[in-house]
Amino acid sequence: SAVISQKPSRDICQRGTSLTIQCQVDSQVTMMFWYRQQPGQSLTLIATANQGSEATYESGFVIDKFPISRPNLTFSTLTVSNMSPEDSSIYLCSVGGRENSYEQYFGPGTRLTVT
Amino acid sequence: QKEVEQNSGPLSVPEGAIASLNCTYSDRVSQSFFWYRQYSGKSPELIMSIYSNGDKEDGRFTAQLNKASQYVSLLIRDSQPSDSATYLCAVTGNQFYFGTGTSLTVIP
Repeated sequence: SAVISQKPSRDICQRGTSLTIQCQVDSQVTMMFWYRQQPGQSLTLIATANQGSEATYESGFVIDKFPISRPNLTFSTLTVSNMSPEDSSIYLCSVGGRENSYEQYFGPGTRLTVT
Repeated sequence: QKEVEQNSGPLSVPEGAIASLNCTYSDRVSQSFFWYRQYSGKSPELIMSIYSNGDKEDGRFTAQLNKASQYVSLLIRDSQPSDSATYLCAVTGNQFYFGTGTSLTVIP
């Protein structure tokens, strides 16, 4: 499976500011996703990052709050905008596995705390 | 009704025993089923995938799928303390859904 890295690994931010999280993969992948995992909870899909077009957002997530870029097949960014304490969470990127397998592999995550 | 349901546990088993983790899903068109292991403070790690009815074995792990009953399970044989983690069930149909996870503790 691909090697996935995320930056930063953790951050503490003040409310009202924005943070951009980077996801880098060591090989080209078609599918990239962004998830949120709040403390003690399961994973919630934020959006699918599409290369060359706008991201596809899940219900409850909007582009103004979580803008996503996908400039190529190995890199994506997620920005958490105008943060509030409710945005404190772990943010994870994932990539698809073998074609048509629907497997997903996760990066190490970014632990965000908003004060 | 949640798309994927798991018993949150915690489930405790003694070292060397069989741990049985269960998952039910609601979408009958679901085609792909996965088990992830998540250690505390770490990201989920894919450990098993299963696509057809029956059993699939990989080392100490066996995934079982019954599409008619809409459940998928994971058996861990000869449980080790290093198996202590949260196990997430994931199902794909029209979307990719995760369960809330079952916390497993293997007692030495």
